Amino acid sequence: TQLLEQSPQFLSIQEGENLTVYCNSSSVFSSLQWYRQEPGEGPVLLVTVVTGGEVKKLKRLTFQFGDARKDSSLHITAAQPGDTGLYLCAGAQTNAGKSTFGDGTTLTVKP
Amino acid sequence: NAGVMQNPRHLVRRRGQEARLRCSPMKGHSHVYWYRQLPEEGLKFMVYLQKENIIDESGMPKERFSAEFPKEGPSILRIQQVVRGDSAAYFCASSPGSGGSYEQYFGPGTRLTVT
Repeated sequence: TQLLEQSPQFLSIQEGENLTVYCNSSSVFSSLQWYRQEPGEGPVLLVTVVTGGEVKKLKRLTFQFGDARKDSSLHITAAQPGDTGLYLCAGAQTNAGKSTFGDGTTLTVKP
Repeated sequence: NAGVMQNPRHLVRRRGQEARLRCSPMKGHSHVYWYRQLPEEGLKFMVYLQKENIIDESGMPKERFSAEFPKEGPSILRIQQVVRGDSAAYFCASSPGSGGSYEQYFGPGTRLTVT
């Protein structure tokens, strides 16, 4: 079983602060997705990273895929209360047909 | 709206009744996944289906739970003789599957409450 470990599990910060959350595994993935889930809703896909070392930016969010394609990070600059939610990473392996999800990081941004 | 649709959004069942959860994938998607989520927890994989085939059911409880994705119509997750421990949010996701794309698009979930 391929496991994805996300850290920290919980993070509470003030509006305007920066933060980084991590997604680590001992397995190599062909692609990795990040999702955000708000209370009462389904997860929403934020980004897919495919190439080792790849960096993608989505406004204040920066996603990085590790060189060995085993880990990823999500950095948020100047966090806002609207960033509050559960951030999930999911790794896919070629021919596996399904993705493996981490347990998520619950982020709370206080105004 | 061509997104993943799930119904009902909320379902209340008494212990011993059956629960049927429905999922219509995004247009053009042939792969469907079911997940279960308890409060304050992540998603737990249950089953992965393609049209008329169960590909991976390693996350399904051995008893009372079943899933199907018929040639026509939505995917169904069926829970027989529900117990209070079945209370959770159940999410369906779909993906195109072809071209090695495993990006999953989620529905809004069905919140099952067993009384």
